[in-house]
Formats: sequence, C-alpha cells, structure tokens
Amino acid sequence: GQNIDQPTEMTATEGAIVQINCTYQTSGFNGLFWYQQHAGEAPTFLSYNVLDGLEEKGRFSSFLSRSKGYSYLLLKELQMKDSASYLCAVRDSNYQLIWGAGTKLIIKP
Amino acid sequence: ETGVTQTPRHLVMGMTNKKSLKCEQHLGHNAMYWYKQSAKKPLELMFVYNFKEQTENNSVPSRFSPECPNSSHLFLHLHTLQPEDSALYLCASSQNRENSPLHFGNGTRLTVT
Repeated sequence: GQNIDQPTEMTATEGAIVQINCTYQTSGFNGLFWYQQHAGEAPTFLSYNVLDGLEEKGRFSSFLSRSKGYSYLLLKELQMKDSASYLCAVRDSNYQLIWGAGTKLIIKP
Repeated sequence: ETGVTQTPRHLVMGMTNKKSLKCEQHLGHNAMYWYKQSAKKPLELMFVYNFKEQTENNSVPSRFSPECPNSSHLFLHLHTLQPEDSALYLCASSQNRENSPLHFGNGTRLTVT
C-alpha cells in the first residue's frame, strides 16, 4: 500500500529552527507538496519539490531526496503564527495525491 | 479570502435530514475536489471533477451525492448521514497540471446527531 509518515506533533521555541520530516512509500513519484493549515482554516500551499535538493522560500525551505523517499520542511526564525499543522502530500504514478496525517507544530514563547 | 468559498461554515444535522454543501471558486481552475478531513487522519479524497465531468469517486457511500453544474461551482448533497460522517469537508480547486497545487476553501464543519 501507499503510505506517508510524519510526526504527529512537534514543539519548538519562538525564534528557533524546526525541521518537520516526511517519509513516503508510493507507487511512483510525480512531486511532493507541503501545506500549512491553521486550526479551523483552509490548508494553504507552501512548497513543491519534484527534483532532489533544497527549495528556499523566505523563512521556509523544503528538501527532497527521491532515492530515500524523504522530504523535510525547515522553518527558521519561528514566529508564534507558525503554530499550525503541516501536511505532506505526494503525487504518485497515477497523479493521485497521497496525504500524510499532518504534523501539529506548537510554538512556545 | 482564499479564492475558494464554502458555505455553510458549520452544519449540524440529524440522520434523517437532507442538506447541501456549496463550493465556489474564483480562480479560473478547471478541476474541483471534495475531501473529508477527520482528526489525526490523512485527507480522504471523495470526488474529483475535471471540466465539469466526474473523474473520480473513491468508493464514497451513496448518501453523499456530488453535483458540478459548471467549472466554478461544486455541491455535495447529503442524505441519511451517520454519526461517523461528522468531519470537516473541504472543497479544493486546481489547474489540471501535475505541479499545480490545490487551493482549498475553509471547509464545512459537519456534525451529524
């Protein structure tokens, strides 16, 4: 079967750096997405990786290693507003999106 | 404003009621989706429409009935639901390209009593 694994919950301190990991086992690979979802709100698109390496967008970066079936989302200079759930999703060989259950990130002052 | 608008935001219904969820997208996308989101579970894809044609029905019970009158509007008609159907129902839209992200609405929080 197809599977996406993410930690259920993480805690970090304001101003620090946190890395949220995502490992996947899917039938084929056609890209990996990260989304942010604040409680009671819509998931919003953060990043897309299809080739190996690091994509940087301001305070957020996303890394992909296709050979290892592994990605991470790196958040720098954490702010209280970064408290949210972070969802990892992979497009498989049929272009279907396979979703992880999400990682709830709690930022403490 | 997300570009994808869902109504209502909250809905409480009894098991014998009939209700409908509405979704509208203002982004010019040609694909629309219904997802179910339950606590601590991955998003579950329910239905997909491309250019108003249903292209996917992921073994969803018939008590959920989608309707897509045009590429900007999507409905989910609910009938004789069960308490386990209580969840957040998310509508999304996208362009029909592999690197196109989904744009989600804020969802309808459904409670079945």
